[in-house]
Amino acid sequence: QKEVEQDPGPLSVPEGAIVSLNCTYSNSAFQYFMWYRQYSRKGPELLMYTYSSGNKEDGRFTAQVDKSSKYISLFIRDSQPSDSATYLCAILKAAGNKLTFGGGTRVLVKP
Amino acid sequence: DAGITQSPRHKVTETGTPVTLRCHQTENHRYMYWYRQDPGHGLRLIHYSYGVKDTDKGEVSDGYSVSRSKTEDFLLTLESATSSQTSVYFCAISGTGDNGYTFGSGTRLTVV
Repeated sequence: QKEVEQDPGPLSVPEGAIVSLNCTYSNSAFQYFMWYRQYSRKGPELLMYTYSSGNKEDGRFTAQVDKSSKYISLFIRDSQPSDSATYLCAILKAAGNKLTFGGGTRVLVKP
Repeated sequence: DAGITQSPRHKVTETGTPVTLRCHQTENHRYMYWYRQDPGHGLRLIHYSYGVKDTDKGEVSDGYSVSRSKTEDFLLTLESATSSQTSVYFCAISGTGDNGYTFGSGTRLTVV
């Protein structure tokens, strides 16, 4: 079993819809939770970063962490065609400095 | 990509030949990483470095070696390339106390 599971999609939504992405993880030692966005033929770029349970907002993006369920989510409000990309969750253990990535979910926002 | 450069961007090589990929950073970050990205597998850690001459293996290190002789450069070598090493290779950096990674633009390697 992978340490971090993520539905590969693709997830297709109309412009303006809410995009809902999620990951589950198995190791309770994970303490830091991130979401990366990756456009085609580009490197991943950090979108959101949180280390506690609860919600964190940044513009149209909301990251949600539920440590008791080992479940993290990313919501994109008022989605735009420019949001079409692959979204990867990434989790960091408290000790060490190596990120463990989910497999990524491909999102397509149709105009 | 700010402060991190990978070279070459594309490479085609023959089975059995050695290949070296280079990652160069201008951020003076302590940590550097090499990942490979393949469909269905996501990003998998090959090797990482936590300082000059300090390196360690990741989850898919077989067939790869690394070297870091100075802070800014982290080299990944495929000792004898195989078709299974056809992939996109990403370098990433992070600083002490900085839990987010910055990724390079990737090297697309094809082994024929």
